[in-house]
Amino acid sequence: KAGVTQTPRYLIKTRGQQVTLSCSPISGHRSVSWYQQTPGQGLQFLFEYFSETQRNKGNFPGRFSGRQFSNSRSEMNVSTLELGDSALYLCASSRGTGTNNSPLHFGNGTRLTVT
Amino acid sequence: GDSVTQMEGPVTLSEEAFLTINCTYTATGYPSLFWYVQYPGEGLQLLLKATKADDKGSNKGFEATYRKETTSFHLEKGSVQVSDSAVYFCALGAPQGGSEKLVFGKGTKLTVNP
Repeated sequence: KAGVTQTPRYLIKTRGQQVTLSCSPISGHRSVSWYQQTPGQGLQFLFEYFSETQRNKGNFPGRFSGRQFSNSRSEMNVSTLELGDSALYLCASSRGTGTNNSPLHFGNGTRLTVT
Repeated sequence: GDSVTQMEGPVTLSEEAFLTINCTYTATGYPSLFWYVQYPGEGLQLLLKATKADDKGSNKGFEATYRKETTSFHLEKGSVQVSDSAVYFCALGAPQGGSEKLVFGKGTKLTVNP
Protein backbone atom coordinates (compact mmCIF):
# COMPACT_ATOMS: atom_id res chain seq x y z
CA LYS A 1 0.00 0.00 0.00
CA ALA A 2 1.57 3.28 -1.07
CA GLY A 3 2.14 5.87 1.63
CA VAL A 4 1.47 9.57 1.58
CA THR A 5 3.28 11.14 -1.36
CA GLN A 6 4.38 14.76 -1.36
CA THR A 7 5.82 16.60 -4.33
CA PRO A 8 8.19 18.16 -4.87
CA ARG A 9 10.68 17.08 -2.16
CA TYR A 10 12.68 20.29 -2.40
CA LEU A 11 11.81 23.76 -3.61
CA ILE A 12 13.74 27.02 -3.74
CA LYS A 13 11.78 30.22 -4.28
CA THR A 14 12.43 33.94 -4.06
CA ARG A 15 10.69 36.36 -1.73
CA GLY A 16 7.43 37.61 -3.20
CA GLN A 17 6.83 34.57 -5.33
CA GLN A 18 4.08 32.04 -4.77
CA VAL A 19 4.34 28.28 -4.44
CA THR A 20 2.06 25.25 -4.68
CA LEU A 21 2.77 22.01 -2.86
CA SER A 22 1.02 18.73 -3.62
CA CYS A 23 -0.03 15.80 -1.47
CA SER A 24 -1.48 12.43 -2.47
CA PRO A 25 -2.99 10.61 0.51
CA ILE A 26 -3.05 6.90 1.17
CA SER A 27 -5.72 5.20 -0.91
CA GLY A 28 -9.04 5.27 0.94
CA HIS A 29 -8.07 8.15 3.21
CA ARG A 30 -10.41 11.11 2.94
CA SER A 31 -8.80 13.52 5.39
CA VAL A 32 -5.65 15.49 4.63
CA SER A 33 -3.88 17.76 7.11
CA TRP A 34 -0.94 20.09 6.61
CA TYR A 35 1.72 21.01 9.16
CA GLN A 36 4.65 23.40 9.04
CA GLN A 37 7.88 22.34 10.74
CA THR A 38 10.59 24.88 11.60
CA PRO A 39 13.49 24.72 14.07
CA GLY A 40 12.12 27.67 16.03
CA GLN A 41 8.39 26.98 16.18
CA GLY A 42 8.40 23.22 15.82
CA LEU A 43 5.37 21.55 14.24
CA GLN A 44 2.38 23.80 13.72
CA PHE A 45 -1.01 22.89 12.30
CA LEU A 46 -1.96 24.67 9.09
CA PHE A 47 -5.31 23.20 8.01
CA GLU A 48 -7.32 20.05 7.50
CA TYR A 49 -9.52 19.02 4.60
CA PHE A 50 -12.14 16.30 4.55
CA SER A 51 -14.26 15.47 1.53
CA GLU A 52 -13.12 18.63 -0.27
CA THR A 53 -14.14 20.88 2.66
CA GLN A 54 -11.80 22.71 4.99
CA ARG A 55 -12.61 21.44 8.48
CA ASN A 56 -9.98 23.24 10.53
CA LYS A 57 -7.53 26.07 10.14
CA GLY A 58 -4.54 26.98 12.25
CA ASN A 59 -3.23 30.43 13.10
CA PHE A 60 -1.55 31.31 9.84
CA PRO A 61 -2.08 34.38 7.65
CA GLY A 62 -4.36 34.32 4.63
CA ARG A 63 -1.32 33.91 2.38
CA PHE A 64 -1.53 30.22 3.26
CA SER A 65 -4.38 28.43 1.55
CA GLY A 66 -5.28 24.97 0.45
CA ARG A 67 -7.80 22.82 -1.31
CA GLN A 68 -8.77 19.21 -1.72
CA PHE A 69 -9.94 17.50 -4.87
CA SER A 70 -12.59 14.84 -5.34
CA ASN A 71 -9.91 12.13 -5.36
CA SER A 72 -8.75 13.38 -1.93
CA ARG A 73 -5.48 14.76 -3.29
CA SER A 74 -4.65 18.10 -1.73
CA GLU A 75 -2.63 21.17 -2.58
CA MET A 76 -1.47 24.02 -0.43
CA ASN A 77 -0.50 27.40 -1.76
CA VAL A 78 1.60 30.12 -0.21
CA SER A 79 1.49 33.52 -1.87
CA THR A 80 3.87 36.46 -1.49
CA LEU A 81 6.56 34.30 0.06
CA GLU A 82 8.57 35.61 3.01
CA LEU A 83 11.92 34.41 4.33
CA GLY A 84 10.15 33.07 7.40
CA ASP A 85 8.12 30.69 5.26
CA SER A 86 11.22 28.53 4.82
CA ALA A 87 10.26 25.25 6.43
CA LEU A 88 9.48 21.59 5.98
CA TYR A 89 5.81 21.26 5.03
CA LEU A 90 4.31 17.96 6.05
CA CYS A 91 1.12 16.45 4.77
CA ALA A 92 -0.73 13.75 6.68
CA SER A 93 -3.72 11.66 5.75
CA SER A 94 -6.23 9.62 7.72
CA ARG A 95 -9.42 7.71 7.06
CA GLY A 96 -11.62 10.17 8.91
CA THR A 97 -11.35 13.20 11.09
CA GLY A 98 -10.41 13.00 14.72
CA THR A 99 -7.02 11.71 15.79
CA ASN A 100 -8.36 9.09 18.18
CA ASN A 101 -9.73 6.57 15.75
CA SER A 102 -7.95 7.77 12.64
CA PRO A 103 -4.19 8.03 13.22
CA LEU A 104 -2.34 10.40 10.95
CA HIS A 105 0.08 8.98 8.38
CA PHE A 106 2.69 11.53 7.34
CA GLY A 107 4.50 12.02 4.07
CA ASN A 108 8.21 12.81 3.89
CA GLY A 109 7.53 16.49 3.41
CA THR A 110 8.45 19.27 1.01
CA ARG A 111 11.47 21.32 2.03
CA LEU A 112 10.80 24.94 0.99
CA THR A 113 13.64 27.45 1.00
CA VAL A 114 12.84 31.11 0.41
CA THR A 115 15.79 33.33 -0.57
CA GLY B 1 -4.78 26.57 25.14
CA ASP B 2 -3.61 22.99 24.79
CA SER B 3 0.13 22.43 24.94
CA VAL B 4 2.80 19.76 25.22
CA THR B 5 6.14 20.10 26.99
CA GLN B 6 8.98 17.69 26.31
CA MET B 7 12.36 17.40 27.94
CA GLU B 8 14.89 19.28 25.91
CA GLY B 9 17.58 17.36 24.14
CA PRO B 10 19.72 16.33 22.68
CA VAL B 11 19.96 13.02 24.47
CA THR B 12 23.01 10.84 23.85
CA LEU B 13 23.09 7.25 25.07
CA SER B 14 25.19 4.16 24.58
CA GLU B 15 23.65 1.09 22.99
CA GLU B 16 21.60 -1.02 25.45
CA ALA B 17 21.11 1.91 27.83
CA PHE B 18 17.70 2.74 29.34
CA LEU B 19 15.79 5.59 27.75
CA THR B 20 13.29 7.99 29.28
CA ILE B 21 11.93 11.04 27.48
CA ASN B 22 9.62 13.10 29.66
CA CYS B 23 6.41 14.57 28.31
CA THR B 24 3.72 16.54 30.14
CA TYR B 25 0.64 18.17 28.72
CA THR B 26 -1.95 20.84 29.41
CA ALA B 27 -5.40 20.27 27.97
CA THR B 28 -9.08 20.62 28.67
CA GLY B 29 -10.77 17.27 28.93
CA TYR B 30 -8.97 14.02 28.28
CA PRO B 31 -7.13 14.11 24.99
CA SER B 32 -5.58 11.19 23.16
CA LEU B 33 -1.81 11.14 23.51
CA PHE B 34 0.78 10.11 20.95
CA TRP B 35 4.47 9.60 20.40
CA TYR B 36 5.77 10.16 16.87
CA VAL B 37 9.29 9.48 15.61
CA GLN B 38 11.09 11.27 12.78
CA TYR B 39 14.14 9.68 11.16
CA PRO B 40 16.55 11.92 9.21
CA GLY B 41 15.07 13.12 5.94
CA GLU B 42 11.70 11.55 6.58
CA GLY B 43 8.26 12.51 7.81
CA LEU B 44 6.75 11.53 11.13
CA GLN B 45 5.77 7.96 11.98
CA LEU B 46 3.30 7.07 14.70
CA LEU B 47 5.21 5.15 17.36
CA LEU B 48 2.47 4.55 19.92
CA LYS B 49 -0.69 6.07 21.34
CA ALA B 50 -3.01 5.98 24.34
CA THR B 51 -6.58 7.16 24.33
CA LYS B 52 -7.59 7.19 28.00
CA ALA B 53 -6.15 7.38 31.50
CA ASP B 54 -3.96 4.44 32.58
CA ASP B 55 -3.74 3.14 29.00
CA LYS B 56 -0.29 1.92 28.07
CA GLY B 57 0.84 2.30 24.47
CA SER B 58 3.67 0.10 23.26
CA ASN B 59 5.52 -0.61 20.03
CA LYS B 60 9.01 -1.79 19.04
CA GLY B 61 10.06 -2.03 22.70
CA PHE B 62 8.92 1.52 23.49
CA GLU B 63 6.24 2.13 26.11
CA ALA B 64 4.33 5.10 27.49
CA THR B 65 1.53 5.24 30.08
CA TYR B 66 -1.21 7.87 30.12
CA ARG B 67 -1.06 9.37 33.62
CA LYS B 68 -4.01 11.67 34.23
CA GLU B 69 -2.99 12.58 37.78
CA THR B 70 0.40 13.90 36.66
CA THR B 71 -0.71 14.88 33.11
CA SER B 72 2.24 12.95 31.76
CA PHE B 73 3.04 10.50 28.98
CA HIS B 74 6.72 9.64 29.37
CA LEU B 75 8.39 7.49 26.71
CA GLU B 76 10.59 4.60 27.89
CA LYS B 77 12.65 1.84 26.34
CA GLY B 78 14.65 -0.68 28.29
CA SER B 79 17.53 -1.15 25.85
CA VAL B 80 18.10 1.29 23.00
CA GLN B 81 19.76 0.45 19.70
CA VAL B 82 21.73 2.58 17.26
CA SER B 83 18.75 2.35 14.91
CA ASP B 84 16.61 4.22 17.49
CA SER B 85 18.53 7.41 16.78
CA ALA B 86 15.87 9.91 15.67
CA VAL B 87 13.78 12.83 16.87
CA TYR B 88 10.84 11.92 19.11
CA PHE B 89 7.72 14.06 19.37
CA CYS B 90 5.05 13.87 22.01
CA ALA B 91 1.62 15.07 20.87
CA LEU B 92 -1.98 15.35 21.96
CA GLY B 93 -5.20 15.39 19.96
CA ALA B 94 -6.90 18.73 20.54
CA PRO B 95 -10.52 19.34 19.52
CA GLN B 96 -10.98 22.08 16.98
CA GLY B 97 -13.92 22.98 14.79
CA GLY B 98 -15.73 19.69 15.20
CA SER B 99 -12.60 17.75 14.38
CA GLU B 100 -9.17 17.46 15.94
CA LYS B 101 -5.65 18.64 15.33
CA LEU B 102 -2.37 17.40 16.74
CA VAL B 103 -0.50 19.67 19.12
CA PHE B 104 3.18 18.69 19.23
CA GLY B 105 5.99 19.16 21.68
CA LYS B 106 9.27 20.65 20.41
CA GLY B 107 10.84 17.23 19.89
CA THR B 108 13.76 15.46 21.55
CA LYS B 109 16.70 14.35 19.47
CA LEU B 110 18.11 10.98 20.52
CA THR B 111 21.53 9.75 19.44
CA VAL B 112 22.56 6.21 20.32
CA ASN B 113 26.25 5.37 20.03
CA PRO B 114 27.55 1.82 19.49
